[in-house]
Amino acid sequence: NAGVTQTPKFQVLKTGQSMTLQCAQDMNHEYMSWYRQDPGMGLRLIHYSVGAGITDQGEVPNGYNVSRSTTEDFPLRLLSAAPSQTSVYFCASSSGAGYNSPLHFGNGTRLTVT
Amino acid sequence: KNQVEQSPQSLIILEGKNCTLQCNYTVSPFSNLRWYKQDTGRGPVSLTIMTFSENTKSNGRYTATLDADTKQSSLHITASQLSDSASYICVVSLPSGGSYIPTFGRGTSLIVHP
Repeated sequence: NAGVTQTPKFQVLKTGQSMTLQCAQDMNHEYMSWYRQDPGMGLRLIHYSVGAGITDQGEVPNGYNVSRSTTEDFPLRLLSAAPSQTSVYFCASSSGAGYNSPLHFGNGTRLTVT
Repeated sequence: KNQVEQSPQSLIILEGKNCTLQCNYTVSPFSNLRWYKQDTGRGPVSLTIMTFSENTKSNGRYTATLDADTKQSSLHITASQLSDSASYICVVSLPSGGSYIPTFGRGTSLIVHP
């Protein structure tokens, strides 16, 4: 019972490099979302999707792109990494757009940008 | 700006003791409030959900309360165990364009000592 799987677990990038954080869920959830967690701050929503082919911006979308070509996958792309993007990134899914259904989180990707 | 404030920031208790964590919110309109538990190095896991009409809800040794008039919630942990050591996050959701946007508190870090 995998749930939400994030890869990689750790990543170090140099400023200006690009990369994709992978997120996959096997629960057939329509709603998927990406968050970043920084020390002393709550989780902040980057982008979310309510179904395949539909994405929308969250609170802190600048510097990140997403796409949702399938129900299962929701990759997050960093276009040109900056030190300010050093953070722990969490992907989450939910069956009901987050109302009565809880968010199921992956175990995160710890990203360091030097 | 919609906010979720949690207190205390951190708490240390002895195994077997009870404790209460607080959450005050200004999110409006209010949809629901959830408490999540986040173990170190893992993603958050939902403990309980409170809707507008609910005052108290229990999940084993965890009891959540909600006062929608004062916009306050609490999470009471009874007979604490070492495995309760974690960060506890209060999350309030508000409706947005057919979906629900979660606003996360910064969490309370709980350490249970033997």
